Amino acid sequence: EDQVTQSPEALRLQEGESSSLNCSYTVSGLRGLFWYRQDPGKGPEFLFTLYSAGEEKEKERLKATLTKKESFLHITAPKPEDSATYLCAVQGNPFKAAGNKLTFGGGTRVLVKP
Amino acid sequence: DTAVSQTPKYLVTQMGNDKSIKCEQNLGHDTMYWYKQDSKKFLKIMFSYNNKELIINETVPNRFSPKSPDKAHLNLHINSLELGDSAVYFCASSRPVTALQETQYFGPGTRLLVL
Repeated sequence: EDQVTQSPEALRLQEGESSSLNCSYTVSGLRGLFWYRQDPGKGPEFLFTLYSAGEEKEKERLKATLTKKESFLHITAPKPEDSATYLCAVQGNPFKAAGNKLTFGGGTRVLVKP
Repeated sequence: DTAVSQTPKYLVTQMGNDKSIKCEQNLGHDTMYWYKQDSKKFLKIMFSYNNKELIINETVPNRFSPKSPDKAHLNLHINSLELGDSAVYFCASSRPVTALQETQYFGPGTRLLVL
Protein backbone atom coordinates (compact mmCIF):
# COMPACT_ATOMS: atom_id res chain seq x y z
CA GLU A 1 0.00 0.00 0.00
CA ASP A 2 1.28 3.49 -0.89
CA GLN A 3 2.34 5.61 2.07
CA VAL A 4 3.30 9.27 2.44
CA THR A 5 4.75 10.92 5.55
CA GLN A 6 5.30 14.65 5.80
CA SER A 7 7.48 16.48 8.29
CA PRO A 8 7.42 18.65 10.22
CA GLU A 9 3.70 18.81 11.02
CA ALA A 10 3.98 22.54 11.60
CA LEU A 11 6.57 25.20 10.82
CA ARG A 12 6.75 28.77 12.07
CA LEU A 13 9.04 31.04 10.09
CA GLN A 14 9.98 34.67 10.17
CA GLU A 15 9.52 36.51 6.93
CA GLY A 16 12.65 35.92 4.85
CA GLU A 17 13.71 32.82 6.78
CA SER A 18 14.16 30.03 4.23
CA SER A 19 13.28 26.45 5.11
CA SER A 20 12.43 23.03 3.68
CA LEU A 21 9.51 20.65 4.02
CA ASN A 22 10.02 16.91 3.71
CA CYS A 23 7.80 14.29 2.08
CA SER A 24 8.88 10.65 2.43
CA TYR A 25 7.05 8.07 0.39
CA THR A 26 6.77 4.37 -0.42
CA VAL A 27 4.93 3.45 -3.59
CA SER A 28 4.94 0.52 -5.97
CA GLY A 29 5.98 2.23 -9.19
CA LEU A 30 5.88 6.00 -8.89
CA ARG A 31 3.75 7.61 -11.57
CA GLY A 32 4.04 11.11 -10.11
CA LEU A 33 4.60 13.04 -6.90
CA PHE A 34 2.36 16.07 -6.42
CA TRP A 35 2.60 19.12 -4.21
CA TYR A 36 -0.52 21.08 -3.34
CA ARG A 37 -1.14 24.17 -1.23
CA GLN A 38 -4.28 24.34 0.90
CA ASP A 39 -5.55 27.55 2.49
CA PRO A 40 -8.00 27.35 5.42
CA GLY A 41 -11.52 26.58 4.23
CA LYS A 42 -10.45 25.95 0.64
CA GLY A 43 -9.62 23.05 -1.61
CA PRO A 44 -6.06 21.96 -2.43
CA GLU A 45 -4.43 24.10 -5.11
CA PHE A 46 -2.00 22.36 -7.45
CA LEU A 47 1.64 23.48 -7.30
CA PHE A 48 3.95 20.90 -8.91
CA THR A 49 4.23 17.42 -10.33
CA LEU A 50 7.55 15.55 -10.25
CA TYR A 51 7.97 12.36 -12.22
CA SER A 52 11.51 11.07 -11.75
CA ALA A 53 14.40 11.24 -9.30
CA GLY A 54 16.57 14.27 -9.85
CA GLU A 55 13.76 16.37 -11.24
CA GLU A 56 13.29 19.91 -9.87
CA LYS A 57 10.53 22.47 -10.42
CA GLU A 58 10.26 26.09 -9.32
CA LYS A 59 7.49 28.57 -8.90
CA GLU A 60 8.20 31.97 -7.37
CA ARG A 61 9.66 31.28 -3.90
CA LEU A 62 8.95 27.54 -4.03
CA LYS A 63 11.21 24.81 -5.37
CA ALA A 64 10.36 21.11 -5.32
CA THR A 65 12.92 18.33 -5.67
CA LEU A 66 12.59 14.55 -5.89
CA THR A 67 14.72 11.55 -4.95
CA LYS A 68 13.78 7.89 -5.02
CA LYS A 69 12.50 8.01 -1.44
CA GLU A 70 11.54 11.59 -0.70
CA SER A 71 10.69 15.01 -1.98
CA PHE A 72 11.53 18.40 -0.56
CA LEU A 73 9.66 21.65 -0.91
CA HIS A 74 12.08 24.54 -0.36
CA ILE A 75 10.63 27.90 0.53
CA THR A 76 13.11 30.70 -0.14
CA ALA A 77 12.69 34.04 1.64
CA PRO A 78 9.04 33.33 2.49
CA LYS A 79 6.42 36.03 2.81
CA PRO A 80 3.31 36.01 5.02
CA GLU A 81 1.20 35.10 1.99
CA ASP A 82 3.07 31.78 1.79
CA SER A 83 1.33 30.73 5.01
CA ALA A 84 -0.74 27.64 4.21
CA THR A 85 -0.78 23.88 4.58
CA TYR A 86 1.39 22.16 2.01
CA LEU A 87 0.27 18.69 0.97
CA CYS A 88 2.32 16.01 -0.74
CA ALA A 89 0.71 13.12 -2.64
CA VAL A 90 1.88 10.18 -4.73
CA GLN A 91 0.27 8.45 -7.65
CA GLY A 92 1.26 4.86 -8.22
CA ASN A 93 1.41 2.53 -11.18
CA PRO A 94 -1.58 3.30 -13.41
CA PHE A 95 -1.75 -0.25 -14.68
CA LYS A 96 -2.69 -1.58 -11.29
CA ALA A 97 -6.23 -1.24 -10.07
CA ALA A 98 -6.85 2.18 -8.56
CA GLY A 99 -3.56 3.37 -10.00
CA ASN A 100 -4.76 6.88 -10.59
CA LYS A 101 -5.71 7.64 -7.01
CA LEU A 102 -3.64 10.11 -5.01
CA THR A 103 -2.32 9.03 -1.61
CA PHE A 104 -1.77 12.11 0.54
CA GLY A 105 0.46 12.84 3.50
CA GLY A 106 -0.84 14.67 6.54
CA GLY A 107 0.51 18.01 5.40
CA THR A 108 2.83 20.64 6.87
CA ARG A 109 1.20 23.78 8.26
CA VAL A 110 3.43 26.74 7.51
CA LEU A 111 3.02 30.07 9.27
CA VAL A 112 5.19 32.95 8.10
CA LYS A 113 5.27 35.91 10.48
CA PRO A 114 6.12 39.42 9.28
CA ASP B 1 -14.83 30.66 -14.32
CA THR B 2 -14.94 28.03 -11.58
CA ALA B 3 -13.18 24.87 -12.76
CA VAL B 4 -14.53 22.41 -10.17
CA SER B 5 -17.58 23.50 -8.20
CA GLN B 6 -19.44 21.82 -5.35
CA THR B 7 -22.80 22.45 -3.72
CA PRO B 8 -23.59 23.00 -0.98
CA LYS B 9 -20.55 24.54 0.69
CA TYR B 10 -21.90 23.79 4.16
CA LEU B 11 -24.28 21.04 5.24
CA VAL B 12 -25.55 20.63 8.79
CA THR B 13 -27.95 17.77 9.37
CA GLN B 14 -29.22 15.28 11.92
CA MET B 15 -28.11 11.68 12.33
CA GLY B 16 -30.12 9.28 10.23
CA ASN B 17 -30.91 11.77 7.48
CA ASP B 18 -30.08 11.28 3.80
CA LYS B 19 -28.19 14.01 1.96
CA SER B 20 -26.54 14.65 -1.39
CA ILE B 21 -23.53 16.69 -2.48
CA LYS B 22 -23.15 17.79 -6.09
CA CYS B 23 -20.00 18.34 -8.13
CA GLU B 24 -19.50 19.80 -11.57
CA GLN B 25 -16.35 20.44 -13.59
CA ASN B 26 -15.96 22.56 -16.71
CA LEU B 27 -12.41 21.46 -17.53
CA GLY B 28 -13.45 18.85 -20.08
CA HIS B 29 -11.93 16.09 -17.93
CA ASP B 30 -12.96 12.46 -18.16
CA THR B 31 -12.16 11.37 -14.62
CA MET B 32 -13.71 12.61 -11.38
CA TYR B 33 -13.09 11.77 -7.74
CA TRP B 34 -14.48 12.11 -4.24
CA TYR B 35 -12.06 12.56 -1.34
CA LYS B 36 -12.78 12.84 2.38
CA GLN B 37 -10.71 15.08 4.67
CA ASP B 38 -11.11 14.19 8.32
CA SER B 39 -10.50 16.31 11.40
CA LYS B 40 -6.79 15.46 11.29
CA LYS B 41 -6.67 16.93 7.78
CA PHE B 42 -5.81 13.65 6.02
CA LEU B 43 -7.24 13.56 2.51
CA LYS B 44 -8.35 10.08 1.50
CA ILE B 45 -9.79 8.80 -1.80
CA MET B 46 -13.32 7.46 -1.70
CA PHE B 47 -14.40 6.99 -5.31
CA SER B 48 -13.23 7.61 -8.84
CA TYR B 49 -15.26 7.63 -12.05
CA ASN B 50 -13.92 7.58 -15.58
CA ASN B 51 -16.43 8.47 -18.29
CA LYS B 52 -19.32 7.68 -15.95
CA GLU B 53 -17.83 4.29 -14.99
CA LEU B 54 -16.81 3.53 -11.40
CA ILE B 55 -13.12 2.60 -11.27
CA ILE B 56 -12.17 3.14 -7.62
CA ASN B 57 -14.22 2.25 -4.55
CA GLU B 58 -12.01 2.45 -1.49
CA THR B 59 -13.74 0.41 1.21
CA VAL B 60 -16.37 3.05 1.72
CA PRO B 61 -19.58 2.02 3.55
CA ASN B 62 -22.38 1.28 1.12
CA ARG B 63 -24.35 4.14 2.69
CA PHE B 64 -22.27 6.27 0.31
CA SER B 65 -23.37 6.03 -3.30
CA PRO B 66 -21.75 8.08 -6.04
CA LYS B 67 -23.64 8.82 -9.24
CA SER B 68 -22.27 10.23 -12.47
CA PRO B 69 -25.04 11.36 -14.86
CA ASP B 70 -22.41 12.54 -17.36
CA LYS B 71 -18.65 12.99 -17.35
CA ALA B 72 -18.91 16.59 -16.12
CA HIS B 73 -20.88 15.69 -13.00
CA LEU B 74 -20.27 13.42 -10.04
CA ASN B 75 -22.70 13.48 -7.15
CA LEU B 76 -22.40 11.82 -3.75
CA HIS B 77 -25.45 10.56 -1.93
CA ILE B 78 -25.18 9.55 1.72
CA ASN B 79 -27.88 7.50 3.43
CA SER B 80 -28.49 7.24 7.16
CA LEU B 81 -25.88 9.79 8.14
CA GLU B 82 -23.72 9.00 11.18
CA LEU B 83 -21.69 11.26 13.46
CA GLY B 84 -18.47 9.86 11.98
CA ASP B 85 -19.44 11.11 8.55
CA SER B 86 -18.70 14.67 9.68
CA ALA B 87 -15.79 15.82 7.52
CA VAL B 88 -14.96 17.93 4.51
CA TYR B 89 -15.71 16.23 1.19
CA PHE B 90 -13.73 17.30 -1.86
CA CYS B 91 -14.50 16.61 -5.47
CA ALA B 92 -11.65 16.56 -7.98
CA SER B 93 -11.21 15.94 -11.69
CA SER B 94 -8.40 15.04 -14.06
CA ARG B 95 -7.64 13.80 -17.53
CA PRO B 96 -7.58 10.00 -17.83
CA VAL B 97 -4.72 8.09 -16.28
CA THR B 98 -3.34 7.34 -19.73
CA ALA B 99 -2.91 11.04 -20.46
CA LEU B 100 0.50 12.63 -20.16
CA GLN B 101 -0.64 14.87 -17.35
CA GLU B 102 -3.12 13.59 -14.82
CA THR B 103 -3.06 16.48 -12.39
CA GLN B 104 -6.14 16.42 -10.21
CA TYR B 105 -7.90 19.74 -9.67
CA PHE B 106 -9.96 20.09 -6.54
CA GLY B 107 -13.21 21.82 -5.74
CA PRO B 108 -13.70 24.10 -2.73
CA GLY B 109 -15.09 21.35 -0.50
CA THR B 110 -18.37 20.64 1.26
CA ARG B 111 -18.25 20.86 5.04
CA LEU B 112 -20.63 18.26 6.46
CA LEU B 113 -21.58 18.33 10.12
CA VAL B 114 -23.79 15.56 11.47
CA LEU B 115 -25.46 16.33 14.80
